[in-house]
Amino acid sequence: GQNIDQPTEMTATEGAIVQINCTYQTSGFNGLFWYQQHAGEAPTFLSYNVLDGLEEKGRFSSFLSRSKGYSYLLLKELQMKDSASYLCAVAGYSTLTFGKGTMLLVSP
Amino acid sequence: EPEVTQTPSHQVTQMGQEVILRCVPISNHLYFYWYRQILGQKVEFLVSFYNNEISEKSEIFDDQFSVERPDGSNFTLKIRSTKLEDSAMYFCASRGYSRNGGTQYFGPGTRLLVL
Repeated sequence: GQNIDQPTEMTATEGAIVQINCTYQTSGFNGLFWYQQHAGEAPTFLSYNVLDGLEEKGRFSSFLSRSKGYSYLLLKELQMKDSASYLCAVAGYSTLTFGKGTMLLVSP
Repeated sequence: EPEVTQTPSHQVTQMGQEVILRCVPISNHLYFYWYRQILGQKVEFLVSFYNNEISEKSEIFDDQFSVERPDGSNFTLKIRSTKLEDSAMYFCASRGYSRNGGTQYFGPGTRLLVL
């Protein structure tokens, strides 16, 4: 089975940097995804890691350590519109297993 | 930019009724999925579909659920006899071919309310 843990909530101020951690224990691993979800909307793709290391994409970066079962999403230069839930998801053979999501609140 | 689309956006039904949720995946994608999200809870996998058959399904996807690709563009989820606990947002997703997982792109969802 899959077990994915991430913090329930985080707060940060506009312009700051925030790191959202995710730990996982899985029976199969085919990569780790981060999605952003605004309330009432669909998850939207942010990043994908399958090899160890850091993937950078604009203000967002994601890191993976397969040996530690650990990933983080780093958001820089936070904006008010970044207030959303951030979902860590592990890919199996043909599925995505999601964590419960981390609700990020960005304040002025 | 191509998108996954879903209809209807909202559906209200009576317990015991059948509902069909429709999805049009991105046109050159080969793998299709249904997920659900009960209000305030995490996104849960229901079923994956490839080459006109189910690849994998979760415990949630019992005999009341079925999927179909009736033509070259639509992908449907049918719930035969809805229960109160089927009330949720249902997301369709699709992805193209990739040796390493591949990114799944989600539709906007159908909010199902069972009364």
